[in-house]
Amino acid sequence: QVQLQESGPGLVRPSETLSLTCTVSGGSIGSYYWTWIRQPPGKGLEWIGYVYYSGSTNYNPSLKSRVTMSVDTSKNHFSLKLTSVTAVDTAIYYCARGLVGASRTVYHDHWGQGTLITVSS
Amino acid sequence: SSELTQAPTVSVALGQTVTITCQGDSLKNYYANWYQQRPGQAPVLVIYDKNNRPSGIPDRFSGSGSGNTASLTITGAQAGDEADYYCNSRDSSGIQVIFGEGTKLTVL
Repeated sequence: QVQLQESGPGLVRPSETLSLTCTVSGGSIGSYYWTWIRQPPGKGLEWIGYVYYSGSTNYNPSLKSRVTMSVDTSKNHFSLKLTSVTAVDTAIYYCARGLVGASRTVYHDHWGQGTLITVSS
Repeated sequence: SSELTQAPTVSVALGQTVTITCQGDSLKNYYANWYQQRPGQAPVLVIYDKNNRPSGIPDRFSGSGSGNTASLTITGAQAGDEADYYCNSRDSSGIQVIFGEGTKLTVL
């Protein structure tokens, strides 16, 4: 059974960099689109982007200038860095496994439990 | 704002059938997927590629789509189906992944 687990600091200061890692267990990191999705308190889901197992990436245009994603196949984990954070970046951050469907839509069949990141001084 | 539009709230009587819809121009070219999110939990995939159920999802959940609208139907709604439901697909450019705004389902 594939499991994903996010790890990182719960509190980040404004203007600093948010760093998260998602560890994948019970399955290979190959041939999937490893995705980060966030959810501000009481709001909907926002796709941040994905990193393919080969290292290629695709980011949400609204966050692209601040986002970097990477994958480490030897450690079976992938990572997110979000720079220059502000209070609007406060959210639950989920990592998820993505697959490309019949029409090239990416769907997410396994999710981490999510980690709340608060941006505050 | 999302390019996929969902009604904010929908209600259904216990045991009845309810349909949740998702509208967007990109759905003319791309299938929708659906997720259920119970309070305090991570989302769970319930339908992918318009009308496919992952293993473990009851056949009470079904998906369909036509034109710019995708639909999730729950037949015989149960109390445990009370949750937020999100659709997702590609945007009109086909580049980015997007989610609908979500529909809160209340089972009466």
